[in-house]
Amino acid sequence: EVQLQQSGPELRRPGSSVKLSCKASGYSITDYLMHWVKHRPEHGLEWIGWIDPEDGETKYAQKFQSKATLTADTSSNTAYMQLSSLTSEDTATYFCARFVDWYFDFWGPGTMVTVSS
Amino acid sequence: EIVLTQSPTTMAASPGEKVTITCRASSSVSYMHWYQQKPGASPKPWIYDTSKLASGVPNRFSGSGSGTSYSLTISSMETEDTATYYCQQWSSNSPITFGSGTKLEIK
Repeated sequence: EVQLQQSGPELRRPGSSVKLSCKASGYSITDYLMHWVKHRPEHGLEWIGWIDPEDGETKYAQKFQSKATLTADTSSNTAYMQLSSLTSEDTATYFCARFVDWYFDFWGPGTMVTVSS
Repeated sequence: EIVLTQSPTTMAASPGEKVTITCRASSSVSYMHWYQQKPGASPKPWIYDTSKLASGVPNRFSGSGSGTSYSLTISSMETEDTATYYCQQWSSNSPITFGSGTKLEIK
C-alpha cells in the first residue's frame, strides 16, 4: 500500500528556516517524481515544485525558486523540502504528492507550518 | 503560465440536485484533473485525464471537456459530496497550476 508520511507541525520565527520530510512506503521514491504543494484556505492550492529522486533534478514554480529547496534521500525513501527566510506568508499546510501521468495520485497528510513572532 | 478559472467559487445544492462545476484554461490543455478536499484533510484525486473516475469515486460523478473548457458534474447531489473541488493541469509549456477551488455545500 502506497503511503506518504509527513513530519509534524512546525512553529517558526520570522526569518528562520524549516525542513519538512515526506517518507514514502509501498514504493520506491526513485520510480516517480515527488511534488510539493502549498495550501492556505483563502488561497487554495499552489504548486511549489518537484524533485526526481533518482538523479536529484528539481524544478520550481517561479515564485518559490528562492524560497524552497527540494532534496531526497533514496536510502531512507524520503523527500525533503526546506523553506527559508520565513514570513507570515509562509504560514500554510504543505503537502507532498506523488505524480503519475500528469496528476497527483497519492498525497501525504500535510505538515502545518506556522510563522509567528 | 496557464491560468485556470473555476466557477462558481461557492455554491449550495439540494440533495438530488444536479451540480456542474466548470474550469476554464487560459490556453488549451490536453487533460484536466480534479481533486476533492474536505476541511483538515489532504486533497484526493477525484477525476483524472478529464473523465476517468479515481478509485472509490461514486459514479454519480463525471468529467468532460476539451481545449480550454472542462467540467465536473454530479448527477444527483448527496451530503457526502460537500467539499472543495479543485481542477489542475499540467502542460509541457506551463508549470502545474490549480484552479482557485469551488466550495460545494448542501442546502
